[in-house]
Amino acid sequence: DSGVTQTPKHLITATGQRVTLRCSPRSGDLSVYWYQQSLDQGLQFLIQYYNGEERAKGNILERFSAQQFPDLHSELNLSSLELGDSALYFCASSGDRNTEAFFGQGTRLTVV
Amino acid sequence: QKEVEQDPGPLSVPEGAIVSLNCTYSNSAFQYFMWYRQYSRKGPELLMYTYSSGNKEDGRFTAQVDKSSKYISLFIRDSQPSDSATYLCAMSARAGNNRKLIWGLGTSLAVNP
Repeated sequence: DSGVTQTPKHLITATGQRVTLRCSPRSGDLSVYWYQQSLDQGLQFLIQYYNGEERAKGNILERFSAQQFPDLHSELNLSSLELGDSALYFCASSGDRNTEAFFGQGTRLTVV
Repeated sequence: QKEVEQDPGPLSVPEGAIVSLNCTYSNSAFQYFMWYRQYSRKGPELLMYTYSSGNKEDGRFTAQVDKSSKYISLFIRDSQPSDSATYLCAMSARAGNNRKLIWGLGTSLAVNP
């Protein structure tokens, strides 16, 4: 158990809809990263938050947004969903040194 | 050129073989080097973590970093079917007041009984 919790584990929704994925980092970790992993693809970095502030942005679509709350949990919002958004979405957290990251078990999103 | 290159495989070996997994990188600023193991559709789990050049051993796993060649390796001795997974390398470098974490695409390994 990495200590990172993601909910829900599975999500099935229709095109055009909006969903929210939730992540609780390891106790004490200030950094949260969001990644997308499509079938047979590598990890694609989406966005990083550190102590409530956006720190780095990767290949995140404008339809996607994220935030980190004062209690350090984070949410990834995906809107106007398309079939191609079907993927595993992982959250990871890391401590102050911001080196190694610990992953949650992911949310499997299926858009139909 | 990608900052981190990793051969996606797949790599198939018999049980008991020594496995060598590798990544090359282009950014000399990378200081921390990590190997993760990802079982099918699960979250990646941290296997090994090294700082700068040198070797680190943990049981059947050895991580090696050669900063002069910009090359890192993960060796698995006496490989087991339970080692069948995708292995991802990751590297970390300071970028301003942040650290960026860059990932390889992963190498798929199958260890056959």
